[in-house]
Amino acid sequence: EAGVVQSPRYKIIEKKQPVAFWCNPISGHNTLYWYLQNLGQGPELLIRYENEEAVDDSQLPKDRFSAERLKGVDSTLKIQPAELGDSAVYLCASSLGLDPYNEQFFGPGTRLTVL
Amino acid sequence: QKEVEQNSGPLSVPEGAIASLNCTYSDRGSQSFFWYRQYSGKSPELIMSIYSNGDKEDGRFTAQLNKASQYVSLLIRDSQPSDSATYLCAVNKGSWGKLQFGAGTQVVVTP
Repeated sequence: EAGVVQSPRYKIIEKKQPVAFWCNPISGHNTLYWYLQNLGQGPELLIRYENEEAVDDSQLPKDRFSAERLKGVDSTLKIQPAELGDSAVYLCASSLGLDPYNEQFFGPGTRLTVL
Repeated sequence: QKEVEQNSGPLSVPEGAIASLNCTYSDRGSQSFFWYRQYSGKSPELIMSIYSNGDKEDGRFTAQLNKASQYVSLLIRDSQPSDSATYLCAVNKGSWGKLQFGAGTQVVVTP
């Protein structure tokens, strides 16, 4: 069974430039999560989707970050414009559903460097 | 107080010994608990989940949960150099699958 797929794996951009990350969850997983992980820290949730609906985007900095999950499968996370402090690893995860006992599985992540 | 706390380490363990990792959490309503392993430069990999008080064993890994004391632990028996990684404790705070992660404990297994 294929795992969570993310692209690109690495991205280097100049500050103020836009950037987008793509995620395809495990087949059959209705719930998709975007996390941000800084060096030496655990992942922090940015947004959660149940099918096409964003059920929790309270941690998403909406002035510069946006996300979508059209058709309830793959998802895109965008930053515009990027700032130096956005340099981090952006992780996508998926689970069968929102049930707290459902396990979340992570993709390989996208390492963003903003210069 | 952080919602999920772990000792940052590094925890140095001789090869073949038992590594013991601890995690405490603040929300008494937490229902599910997970341990992830993260190698340097890689993404977190789920290794254990536990939902009820007591022990849960899977191979060389044992997770222990004590909801009254609000802690969850992970034991790694017969530690191998390949176990050298950062171990993340994750706690599900409520009924909607929102995980709160600790900062992780770095484990170094020395030959």
